[in-house]
Amino acid sequence: NAGVTQTPKFRVLKTGQSMTLLCAQDMNHEYMYWYRQDPGMGLRLIHYSVGEGTTAKGEVPDGYNVSRLKKQNFLLGLESAAPSQTSVYFCASSSGRNTGELFFGEGSRLTVL
Amino acid sequence: AQTVTQSQPEMSVQEAETVTLSCTYDTSESDYYLFWYKQPPSRQMILVIRQEAYKQQNATENRFSVNFQKAAKSFSLKISDSQLGDAAMYFCAYGFFGNEKLTFGTGTRLTIIP
Repeated sequence: NAGVTQTPKFRVLKTGQSMTLLCAQDMNHEYMYWYRQDPGMGLRLIHYSVGEGTTAKGEVPDGYNVSRLKKQNFLLGLESAAPSQTSVYFCASSSGRNTGELFFGEGSRLTVL
Repeated sequence: AQTVTQSQPEMSVQEAETVTLSCTYDTSESDYYLFWYKQPPSRQMILVIRQEAYKQQNATENRFSVNFQKAAKSFSLKISDSQLGDAAMYFCAYGFFGNEKLTFGTGTRLTIIP
C-alpha cells in the first residue's frame, strides 16, 4: 500500500520557470492538501481540496495553482517560480470523516535559483 | 484564526530520561482535536498521538503521553525512556470537527544525548 506519493522528490528551477508537483493517494480519501515547510515556520497550508473537482485557498496560496481532476490526484503548479518558493512541499490526504488525521507524502524539495 | 505555539525551538534529553515538549493553542471552537507529529531526518511526517478535546482522559501511546489542559489550552507531549530513534522534529497540530484542515506549530527539534 503506497499511501501518498509525491513526484518529483527533488527539483531545481530557475526564476521564472514553471513546474508541477504531482500527488497521488491510493486510500480513496476525499480531502487532499498541499503544505509548504520552511525553517522556523512549521507547515503552512497552500491549497486544499474537499473532493474531486474542488479546490480552496489555504494560508499561503499566492503564486500557486492547484487542480483535482481525479479523486486520487492533486496537482500543485508554479507558473513563474520565485526564490521565495524555495521550500519543502508536502502533500497530505484525509478521509474527511472527522478523524482529523492527515497522511503525508515524503515531501518534495524545490530550489528556485 | 486558530494558532498553535511551540515555544521551545530545541530540546535535548539524555537517553533513557524523560522529556516534555510544550504546545499551546488558541481557538474559540469547542469540538476539536490535537496532534503530535514526528518528523525524523527522513522527512516523513509520522503521527505520534492524537487527542479529542471532548475526552478528559489524556491520550497515551506506549512511551508517549500527553498532558491536555483544555481550560489553559495547553497540550504537552511527554516522552518517557527516551531512545535514540526519538530524535526528530516534533510538530503540534490543531484541527476542528467539520474542517479537516490542520494548523501546525513551528516545531521543536529534539536531540537525544547517548
